[in-house]
Amino acid sequence: DAGITQSPRHKVTETGTPVTLRCHQTENHRYMYWYRQDPGHGLRLIHYSYGVKDTDKGEVSDGYSVSRSKTEDFLLTLESATSSQTSVYFCATGGTIIHEQYFGPGTRLTVT
Amino acid sequence: QQQVKQSPQSLIVQKGGISIINCAYENTAFDYFPWYQQFPGKGPALLIAIRPDVSEKKEGRFTISFNKSAKQFSLHIMDSQPGDSATYFCAASMKSDSWGKLQFGAGTQVVVTP
Repeated sequence: DAGITQSPRHKVTETGTPVTLRCHQTENHRYMYWYRQDPGHGLRLIHYSYGVKDTDKGEVSDGYSVSRSKTEDFLLTLESATSSQTSVYFCATGGTIIHEQYFGPGTRLTVT
Repeated sequence: QQQVKQSPQSLIVQKGGISIINCAYENTAFDYFPWYQQFPGKGPALLIAIRPDVSEKKEGRFTISFNKSAKQFSLHIMDSQPGDSATYFCAASMKSDSWGKLQFGAGTQVVVTP
């Protein structure tokens, strides 16, 4: 998994609560990405980042925010979790060859 | 709206057979086409990739075929093995995209029976 860890690996939360997922990488990659994976949709990009404090929105960013205060950490926050955000979330990094992305092990989030 | 359409959704192949997964795209600006392999409970991993200046790329038992005029590309898994059972995603991106963003297909679950 190219030195990428995600925490927590599993989480169950209630509708309306805030949730933060963490991605940590040891590869010193400048590019980092958050995806969600849902059956029939493949992987959809939520937010992405190039370096510290340089982030932008992906195709499914509504209800999500991100922060990157250190090169190695990329946080994804669900400001007020909804059942539609039940999904598996993957963090990825891009190195020297930016189109080659390396994925973490994922976080399975269930919103009840 | 998915920019990369992948088929079939799932397939079952016998050991030793050939698995074929197809992808189609509309955006002619796409110029990098990777395939990712994902085992249950794991993150996707880059398997093989192709650029449109070649029509075929082979790595071991995995081959990508690319048809630029038809805007289609496919993954062939030769001599399929039970260990190849996984979900496969095609993707596409543009070299001009400095963020390196990928557009993924919906995925194909491959089951190789002994």
